[in-house]
Amino acid sequence: AQSVTQLDSHVSVSEGTPVLLRCNYSSSYSPSLFWYVQHPNKGLQLLLKYTSAATLVKGINGFEAEFKKSETSFHLTKPSAHMSDAAEYFCVVSPSGNTPLVFGKGTRLSVIA
Amino acid sequence: NAGVTQTPKFQVLKTGQSMTLQCAQDMNHEYMSWYRQDPGMGLRLIHYSVGAGITDQGEVPNGYNVSRSTTEDFPLRLLSAAPSQTSVYFCASSYRTGSGNTIYFGEGSWLTVV
Repeated sequence: AQSVTQLDSHVSVSEGTPVLLRCNYSSSYSPSLFWYVQHPNKGLQLLLKYTSAATLVKGINGFEAEFKKSETSFHLTKPSAHMSDAAEYFCVVSPSGNTPLVFGKGTRLSVIA
Repeated sequence: NAGVTQTPKFQVLKTGQSMTLQCAQDMNHEYMSWYRQDPGMGLRLIHYSVGAGITDQGEVPNGYNVSRSTTEDFPLRLLSAAPSQTSVYFCASSYRTGSGNTIYFGEGSWLTVV
């Protein structure tokens, strides 16, 4: 069975410092992995996706994530946080075989001025 | 290309009323799904479909009904609304899950049941 664990429900960083949002997954097959961001009272916006082409994936707004198969992790990072990064972030596994998506429970990122 | 269109955006219902949340996509996607989002619980799958005429239950299907008569549309019906169904609802679609296909989300529907 597939599962996604976002290891922190809330992360707080100061503006200009690095961001690390952690995601571990469990999947029987080679999944596609995504990070989505949701700003308050808004829909979900795609940040980046892993599709087995490259283990280091660059996304929008300076975010990137590294797929580590040995650690079954797909952590999201950004070198320098901006106030506009404050939002909820979701790690999502898209299994093969047209089976349902699996969502992490989300990590709320707060950015302190 | 309009993506995933979800309506209405906001709705207030009285307990016992029924309503339908509409979801339409114009990308010829096979996979469509409905989620509800509640504080601290992430997104939970209600129902999903892998093609016209095919639907299946997700994690929290009770009180909801779906059909997929066309590839484009995947409406979610609340049969008799209850306060516990107060939530934000998202429709999502993808050509197929896996294989790196991007998942597209609607803008969400904020539903309050009083």
